[in-house]
Amino acid sequence: QVQLVESGGGVVQPGRSLRLSCAASGFTFRSYSMHWVRQAPGKGLEWVAVIWHDGSDKYYAESVKGRFSISRDNSKDTVYLQMNTLRGEDTGVYYCATTGAPWGQGTLVTVSS
Amino acid sequence: QSALTQPASVSGSPGQSITISCTGTSSDVGSYNYVSWFQQHPGKAPKLMIYEVTNRPSGVSSRFSGSKSGNTASLTISGLQAEDESDYYCSSYTTSNTLVFGGGTKLTVL
Repeated sequence: QVQLVESGGGVVQPGRSLRLSCAASGFTFRSYSMHWVRQAPGKGLEWVAVIWHDGSDKYYAESVKGRFSISRDNSKDTVYLQMNTLRGEDTGVYYCATTGAPWGQGTLVTVSS
Repeated sequence: QSALTQPASVSGSPGQSITISCTGTSSDVGSYNYVSWFQQHPGKAPKLMIYEVTNRPSGVSSRFSGSKSGNTASLTISGLQAEDESDYYCSSYTTSNTLVFGGGTKLTVL
Protein backbone atom coordinates (compact mmCIF):
# COMPACT_ATOMS: atom_id res chain seq x y z
CA GLN A 1 0.00 0.00 0.00
CA VAL A 2 1.01 3.63 -0.40
CA GLN A 3 3.27 4.74 2.41
CA LEU A 4 5.34 7.80 3.25
CA VAL A 5 7.84 7.57 6.11
CA GLU A 6 9.62 10.68 7.34
CA SER A 7 12.83 10.68 9.34
CA GLY A 8 15.73 12.88 10.36
CA GLY A 9 14.10 15.17 12.88
CA GLY A 10 15.59 16.05 16.24
CA VAL A 11 16.67 18.84 18.54
CA VAL A 12 18.99 21.38 16.99
CA GLN A 13 20.36 24.74 18.06
CA PRO A 14 19.35 27.93 16.26
CA GLY A 15 21.52 28.58 13.24
CA ARG A 16 22.39 24.92 12.73
CA SER A 17 21.31 22.56 9.96
CA LEU A 18 19.25 19.39 9.64
CA ARG A 19 18.30 17.14 6.73
CA LEU A 20 14.97 15.38 6.63
CA SER A 21 14.18 12.33 4.50
CA CYS A 22 10.93 10.86 3.29
CA ALA A 23 10.89 7.32 1.93
CA ALA A 24 7.98 6.47 -0.37
CA SER A 25 6.57 3.10 -1.34
CA GLY A 26 3.52 1.60 -2.99
CA PHE A 27 3.30 4.01 -5.92
CA THR A 28 5.34 5.19 -8.91
CA PHE A 29 7.35 7.81 -7.01
CA ARG A 30 9.09 9.22 -10.07
CA SER A 31 5.72 10.25 -11.56
CA TYR A 32 4.63 12.52 -8.72
CA SER A 33 5.55 15.94 -7.39
CA MET A 34 6.39 15.83 -3.70
CA HIS A 35 5.68 18.43 -1.01
CA TRP A 36 6.91 19.14 2.48
CA VAL A 37 4.35 20.54 4.93
CA ARG A 38 4.91 21.48 8.56
CA GLN A 39 2.84 22.08 11.65
CA ALA A 40 4.06 24.16 14.57
CA PRO A 41 2.88 23.07 18.02
CA GLY A 42 -0.80 23.92 18.45
CA LYS A 43 -0.98 25.56 15.03
CA GLY A 44 -2.35 24.75 11.59
CA LEU A 45 -0.70 23.26 8.54
CA GLU A 46 1.85 25.27 6.57
CA TRP A 47 3.15 24.36 3.14
CA VAL A 48 6.96 24.47 2.92
CA ALA A 49 8.20 23.33 -0.48
CA VAL A 50 7.48 21.29 -3.61
CA ILE A 51 9.66 19.49 -6.13
CA TRP A 52 8.53 18.38 -9.57
CA HIS A 53 8.40 14.67 -10.36
CA ASP A 54 11.69 14.82 -12.24
CA GLY A 55 13.34 17.38 -9.98
CA SER A 56 13.27 19.99 -12.73
CA ASP A 57 11.48 22.64 -10.71
CA LYS A 58 11.21 23.59 -7.06
CA TYR A 59 9.17 26.16 -5.15
CA TYR A 60 9.39 27.39 -1.56
CA ALA A 61 7.31 29.24 0.99
CA GLU A 62 8.60 32.75 1.62
CA SER A 63 9.31 31.84 5.23
CA VAL A 64 11.97 29.29 4.21
CA LYS A 65 13.23 30.62 0.89
CA GLY A 66 17.01 30.83 0.83
CA ARG A 67 17.39 28.60 3.91
CA PHE A 68 15.70 25.33 2.92
CA SER A 69 16.36 23.17 -0.12
CA ILE A 70 14.22 20.32 -1.43
CA SER A 71 15.67 17.49 -3.50
CA ARG A 72 14.82 13.95 -4.49
CA ASP A 73 16.44 10.70 -5.58
CA ASN A 74 14.06 8.79 -7.82
CA SER A 75 16.34 5.75 -7.73
CA LYS A 76 15.71 5.54 -3.98
CA ASP A 77 12.08 6.74 -3.95
CA THR A 78 13.11 9.39 -1.44
CA VAL A 79 12.62 13.12 -1.09
CA TYR A 80 14.78 15.31 1.14
CA LEU A 81 14.54 18.65 2.87
CA GLN A 82 17.83 20.32 3.72
CA MET A 83 17.19 22.91 6.39
CA ASN A 84 19.90 25.48 7.08
CA THR A 85 20.11 28.46 9.42
CA LEU A 86 17.29 27.07 11.51
CA ARG A 87 15.17 29.37 13.66
CA GLY A 88 12.86 28.79 16.61
CA GLU A 89 9.86 29.34 14.38
CA ASP A 90 10.90 26.33 12.29
CA THR A 91 9.98 24.08 15.20
CA GLY A 92 7.24 21.63 14.37
CA VAL A 93 6.30 18.33 12.83
CA TYR A 94 7.34 17.99 9.21
CA TYR A 95 5.36 15.85 6.78
CA CYS A 96 5.98 14.89 3.19
CA ALA A 97 2.94 14.61 0.95
CA THR A 98 1.74 14.00 -2.57
CA THR A 99 -1.63 14.04 -4.30
CA GLY A 100 -3.97 11.32 -3.16
CA ALA A 101 -1.54 9.63 -0.79
CA PRO A 102 -2.02 9.16 2.95
CA TRP A 103 0.38 11.16 5.10
CA GLY A 104 3.00 9.58 7.30
CA GLN A 105 3.49 10.23 10.99
CA GLY A 106 5.88 13.08 10.34
CA THR A 107 9.18 13.89 11.99
CA LEU A 108 9.55 16.39 14.83
CA VAL A 109 12.06 19.22 14.52
CA THR A 110 12.80 21.24 17.63
CA VAL A 111 14.99 24.31 17.29
CA SER A 112 16.16 25.38 20.70
CA SER A 113 19.32 26.40 22.49
CA GLN B 1 -0.43 33.60 -0.68
CA SER B 2 -3.25 34.06 1.84
CA ALA B 3 -4.68 31.08 3.67
CA LEU B 4 -7.96 29.60 2.58
CA THR B 5 -10.91 30.65 4.75
CA GLN B 6 -12.65 28.05 6.88
CA PRO B 7 -15.12 28.54 9.74
CA ALA B 8 -13.37 28.22 13.07
CA SER B 9 -15.95 25.78 14.35
CA VAL B 10 -19.04 23.82 13.34
CA SER B 11 -21.21 21.46 15.31
CA GLY B 12 -23.92 18.91 14.79
CA SER B 13 -25.80 16.13 16.51
CA PRO B 14 -25.25 12.43 15.84
CA GLY B 15 -26.99 11.36 12.65
CA GLN B 16 -27.14 14.85 11.21
CA SER B 17 -25.19 16.19 8.24
CA ILE B 18 -22.77 19.09 8.41
CA THR B 19 -20.84 21.02 5.78
CA ILE B 20 -17.51 22.77 6.19
CA SER B 21 -16.70 25.47 3.66
CA CYS B 22 -13.29 26.43 2.32
CA THR B 23 -13.14 29.72 0.45
CA GLY B 24 -10.23 30.71 -1.71
CA THR B 25 -9.72 32.78 -4.81
CA SER B 26 -9.47 32.42 -8.56
CA SER B 27 -5.74 31.80 -8.00
CA ASP B 28 -6.26 28.61 -6.05
CA VAL B 29 -9.59 26.87 -5.41
CA GLY B 30 -11.18 28.47 -8.45
CA SER B 31 -8.38 27.48 -10.82
CA TYR B 32 -7.81 23.80 -10.16
CA ASN B 33 -9.62 20.67 -9.09
CA TYR B 34 -6.82 20.00 -6.61
CA VAL B 35 -8.63 20.55 -3.34
CA SER B 36 -7.97 18.12 -0.50
CA TRP B 37 -9.48 17.68 2.95
CA PHE B 38 -7.75 16.33 6.04
CA GLN B 39 -9.00 15.14 9.40
CA GLN B 40 -6.70 15.54 12.39
CA HIS B 41 -7.35 14.19 15.84
CA PRO B 42 -5.32 15.63 18.74
CA GLY B 43 -1.73 14.42 18.74
CA LYS B 44 -2.17 12.54 15.47
CA ALA B 45 -1.01 13.09 11.91
CA PRO B 46 -3.49 14.55 9.43
CA LYS B 47 -5.53 11.91 7.63
CA LEU B 48 -6.42 12.44 3.98
CA MET B 49 -10.20 12.28 3.60
CA ILE B 50 -10.82 13.79 0.16
CA TYR B 51 -8.49 14.62 -2.73
CA GLU B 52 -9.03 16.28 -6.11
CA VAL B 53 -12.27 17.80 -4.81
CA THR B 54 -14.40 14.67 -4.76
CA ASN B 55 -12.21 11.57 -4.51
CA ARG B 56 -12.12 9.42 -1.39
CA PRO B 57 -9.00 7.36 -0.63
CA SER B 58 -9.51 3.68 -0.01
CA GLY B 59 -10.82 3.08 3.50
CA VAL B 60 -12.46 6.47 4.00
CA SER B 61 -16.15 6.25 4.82
CA SER B 62 -18.63 7.18 2.10
CA ARG B 63 -20.22 9.49 4.68
CA PHE B 64 -17.52 11.97 3.68
CA SER B 65 -17.97 13.81 0.40
CA GLY B 66 -16.46 16.84 -1.29
CA SER B 67 -17.65 19.40 -3.79
CA LYS B 68 -16.67 22.72 -5.28
CA SER B 69 -18.41 25.73 -6.72
CA GLY B 70 -16.39 28.64 -8.01
CA ASN B 71 -13.84 29.67 -5.40
CA THR B 72 -15.43 27.67 -2.58
CA ALA B 73 -14.96 24.02 -1.78
CA SER B 74 -17.01 22.08 0.73
CA LEU B 75 -16.71 18.96 2.83
CA THR B 76 -19.96 17.29 3.83
CA ILE B 77 -20.18 14.66 6.54
CA SER B 78 -23.46 12.78 6.64
CA GLY B 79 -24.73 10.57 9.44
CA LEU B 80 -22.51 12.35 11.94
CA GLN B 81 -20.81 10.07 14.46
CA ALA B 82 -18.97 10.81 17.69
CA GLU B 83 -15.68 9.68 16.12
CA ASP B 84 -15.99 12.43 13.51
CA GLU B 85 -15.26 15.04 16.18
CA SER B 86 -11.92 16.43 15.06
CA ASP B 87 -10.12 19.28 13.33
CA TYR B 88 -10.53 19.51 9.56
CA TYR B 89 -8.25 21.30 7.10
CA CYS B 90 -8.64 22.03 3.41
CA SER B 91 -5.84 22.64 0.94
CA SER B 92 -5.57 23.74 -2.67
CA TYR B 93 -2.95 23.92 -5.35
CA THR B 94 -2.30 27.49 -6.53
CA THR B 95 -1.34 29.24 -9.74
CA SER B 96 2.03 29.98 -8.11
CA ASN B 97 2.77 26.24 -8.02
CA THR B 98 2.41 26.14 -4.25
CA LEU B 99 -0.07 24.63 -1.84
CA VAL B 100 -2.21 26.72 0.48
CA PHE B 101 -4.10 25.47 3.53
CA GLY B 102 -7.13 26.65 5.39
CA GLY B 103 -6.88 27.68 9.02
CA GLY B 104 -8.77 24.61 10.18
CA THR B 105 -12.27 23.92 11.49
CA LYS B 106 -13.07 22.27 14.79
CA LEU B 107 -16.03 19.93 14.46
CA THR B 108 -17.96 19.22 17.64
CA VAL B 109 -20.45 16.37 17.79
CA LEU B 110 -23.06 17.39 20.33
